[in-house]
Amino acid sequence: GAVVSQHPSWVICKSGTSVKIECRSLDFQATTMFWYRQFPKQSLMLMATSNEGSKATYEQGVEKDKFLINHASLTLSTLTVTSAHPEDSSFYICSARALDPLNYGYTFGSGTRLTVV
Amino acid sequence: DAKTTQPTSMDCAEGRAANLPCNHSTISGNEYVYWYRQIHSQGPQYIIHGLKNNETNEMASLIITEDRKSSTLILPHATLRDTAVYYCIEGAQKLVFGQGTRLTINP
Repeated sequence: GAVVSQHPSWVICKSGTSVKIECRSLDFQATTMFWYRQFPKQSLMLMATSNEGSKATYEQGVEKDKFLINHASLTLSTLTVTSAHPEDSSFYICSARALDPLNYGYTFGSGTRLTVV
Repeated sequence: DAKTTQPTSMDCAEGRAANLPCNHSTISGNEYVYWYRQIHSQGPQYIIHGLKNNETNEMASLIITEDRKSSTLILPHATLRDTAVYYCIEGAQKLVFGQGTRLTINP
């Protein structure tokens, strides 16, 4: 079945630094990848949609300059949280949609827990 | 914003069938109904999806009403490991999550 690998699974960083999270589709090509964030006891909130080779589309209220998304290949998308602050501490989850969504649907990574201190 | 409505929580006895309802009255013709579940601190796990016909796989069955305005996810023999938050999502180009149903399987 389709597998999405997300790395790192957890990270602690100092306030003001940047953190990069990687999302890879291991056994399929993903034209589109999605990034979500989830706060404790809340649902997943869609942050942005990224298409390979083009700029990401951000949901309303998400700062594109703070959450940089790169989707350079059909198997890799990265999310960089720039100048992180404690309020950015959250669970970040990526999802990849295969070229044939009828077979794979949307596959999610295992998430990255970011703690900014 | 999410367009589906689900009960906040449900309980089910181990070994029984768990039936999780979902209303998606504004679903459009090209949107599928997806079901995912999330166990604490993990990424969502795909369960099943369908367009208008009922679907079954090794995990669950999905019953979609003829007007497509609602559906029911059926876990035929619930186990303790099925305790999770279950999300019903209508989607085509992207998945927008609602609050889901917290299903607790009791021994």
